[in-house]
Amino acid sequence: QVQLNESGPGLVKPSETLSLTCTVSGGSISSSCWSWIRQSPEKRLEFIAYMCYNEIPKYNPSLKSRVSMSGDPSKNQLSLRLNSVTAADTATYYCARILVDASMLQAFDSWGQGSLITVSS
Amino acid sequence: SYELTQPPSVSVSPGQTASITCSGDNLDNKYASWYQQKPGQSPVLVMYQDSKRPSGIPGRFSGSNSGNTATLTISGTQPLDEADYYCQAWDGTTGVFGGGTRLTVL
Repeated sequence: QVQLNESGPGLVKPSETLSLTCTVSGGSISSSCWSWIRQSPEKRLEFIAYMCYNEIPKYNPSLKSRVSMSGDPSKNQLSLRLNSVTAADTATYYCARILVDASMLQAFDSWGQGSLITVSS
Repeated sequence: SYELTQPPSVSVSPGQTASITCSGDNLDNKYASWYQQKPGQSPVLVMYQDSKRPSGIPGRFSGSNSGNTATLTISGTQPLDEADYYCQAWDGTTGVFGGGTRLTVL
C-alpha cells in the first residue's frame, strides 16, 4: 500500500517561492506517475502538475509560468516549486499517485494527507 | 479550457438512490473519475474509467458516462456516504475537476 506524505513551510510571504516535498513509501516513484493537486479554502480542487519518471513534467496551463515539478529517486521524493505566490495560492496541497491503464492516465488513486499553505505577510 | 459542472448539493434519504451528475462538452469522449471527500480527510477514489470501482469500494457505488454527462449512482445510500463528491477527467495532459457536490443523507 503506497503512502504519500507532503511537507511544506506552512506560511509563505507574498511574492516568495513555495517549496513542497512529497515522500513516497511502499512504492517507487520510478514505477508510476505522480501529481500535485491543491484544494482552495472554498474546497475547489485544482490540478497543478504531473510527471512520470524520466519524462518531462506536464503543467496546468494556468500555472505553467510559475511552477516546476521534479523527482528524486534516490530519496523517493517528489518536489513542487511555485514562484511569485499570492493570497490566491493559499490552499491545501496534495501529492497523488496516478493510475495508468492501457498507457492512458486514468485517475488519482492514492493521496497524501495534504499540506496546508497560507500566503500572508 | 475544459470545464466540468456539478450541482452544488444533492439530498437523499437513507436507503434510497442518490445520483450525482457531472457535465462537460462531449464528456463521453473522455473517461470520468469520481472522488469522495469527508470533512478533514483527503479525497478517495471511488470510481474510474466511468464505471470501474477500485478495490475496497462498496458495490452500491456505480458509474456511467453518456453524451455530455457522467453520473455517479449510490444505491441504498447509507449515512456514512454523506460527503463531498468530485468528478474529474483529463483534457489532454491536464487534469480537470468539477466544483464538487455535497451529498446530504437525511
